[in-house]
Amino acid sequence: QTVVTQEPSLTVAPGGTVTLTCASSTGAVTTSYSPNWFQQRPGQAPTALIYQTTTRHSWTPARFSGSLLGDKAALTVSGVQPEDEADYYCLLYFGVGHLVFGGGTKLTVL
Amino acid sequence: QVQLVESGGGVVQPGRSLRLSCAASGFPFTSFGIHWVRQAPGKGLEWVAHISYDGKNKYYADSVKGRFTISRDVSKSTVYLQMDSLRPEDTAVYYCAKKGTWNWVDYWGQGNLVTVSS
Repeated sequence: QTVVTQEPSLTVAPGGTVTLTCASSTGAVTTSYSPNWFQQRPGQAPTALIYQTTTRHSWTPARFSGSLLGDKAALTVSGVQPEDEADYYCLLYFGVGHLVFGGGTKLTVL
Repeated sequence: QVQLVESGGGVVQPGRSLRLSCAASGFPFTSFGIHWVRQAPGKGLEWVAHISYDGKNKYYADSVKGRFTISRDVSKSTVYLQMDSLRPEDTAVYYCAKKGTWNWVDYWGQGNLVTVSS
């Protein structure tokens, strides 16, 4: 069973920078896993932020950026805003019809 | 604009069936695949099933394989999730989501709650 692991929770001050990571039980995360990142505010459906490791959707604010950091996928939020307080999920593609979400990171802006 | 609207959720007894619908609009329905993703109360996201852009390929998570069936009606631009032999652990908000041109998900529906309880 493939497991994708994220930090359960992180706290950041307004205006600060925070990096969330996404690790795979199969080994290093590479661009071939097409990392996606999603934001989910309380009581709302998820919204897409990043795809193919680094590409922002047209609606994604520029303060969100995706990368590979060591053997993990990463989402960095720079100049954090209060409205960025939310749950964040990564998604990795392990093959056709084999998609796995991470457990999610609860980001608190304090 | 892209819209995905789920319907068909509700309360159902264990062992019974339910069919969810996902009505799509704002994009060429036969050019993009659709995923179903669920979220149990207070838990994270779990990928459930996918139907390809041409309807020929269907994929399922191990947790639902053999019990759930994904299908579509092109004339109605609607994707369905037939859920049989439901279990309490299937209780969740079910989202449909549009697949992008390659391996990404771009748009999500608002979600529909399914509760399996006696």
